Amino acid sequence: AQTVTQSQPEMSVQEAETVTLSCTYDTSENNYYLFWYKQPPSRQMILVIRQEAYKQQNATENRFSVNFQKAAKSFSLKISDSQLGDTAMYFCAFMNIAGNMLTFGGGTRLMVKP
Amino acid sequence: DADVTQTPRNRITKTGKRIMLECSQTKGHDRMYWYRQDPGLGLRLIYYSFDVKDINKGEISDGYSVSRQAQAKFSLSLESAIPNQTALYFCATSDLETRQGTYNEQFFGPGTRLTVL
Repeated sequence: AQTVTQSQPEMSVQEAETVTLSCTYDTSENNYYLFWYKQPPSRQMILVIRQEAYKQQNATENRFSVNFQKAAKSFSLKISDSQLGDTAMYFCAFMNIAGNMLTFGGGTRLMVKP
Repeated sequence: DADVTQTPRNRITKTGKRIMLECSQTKGHDRMYWYRQDPGLGLRLIYYSFDVKDINKGEISDGYSVSRQAQAKFSLSLESAIPNQTALYFCATSDLETRQGTYNEQFFGPGTRLTVL
């Protein structure tokens, strides 16, 4: 079974600064997907970024980028030029190739301060 | 209109009551999922279904049952609700995997907040 660990329950960052959220996971599989989801106070789950394990290049989506270290089983999210609207819970998640289960970490609550 | 809808959005019930949470989708996806969210634990999979005739238990299925009435509808039932089932419940959908390595995003509904007194 897979496990996903987010070791930072809460973080804060000043507006326009950069912040990095950590995630580690454990799996015996070689191919899989990793995701970061954002959950604002509206509680909607919003996909921020995804990474395929077979791709060595780190994924980027505008201000969001990841540092994927497969050997270390680490998948951190970097948010550049933080905005007030980035305030939310952030969840790291693992999906196996069969796509039948998302395994989530416990989440990191991010507060962006003006 | 939302692609994945859940009803009700909020529900308060009493211990021992039977309750059904409903999920409908207009995305035409075959796969549907029910997750539960508790503080500090993220989301955990309760049940999932790959098509109308396919139902599978997830990580935490005890105390829950599901029904896939149609491709677009997937209901979660608590036969006899208990207080530790108080949580936020999410339905999600995804498409079939079409080829090796294809990524299939899961699309989430807005969630149902259930409180069992």
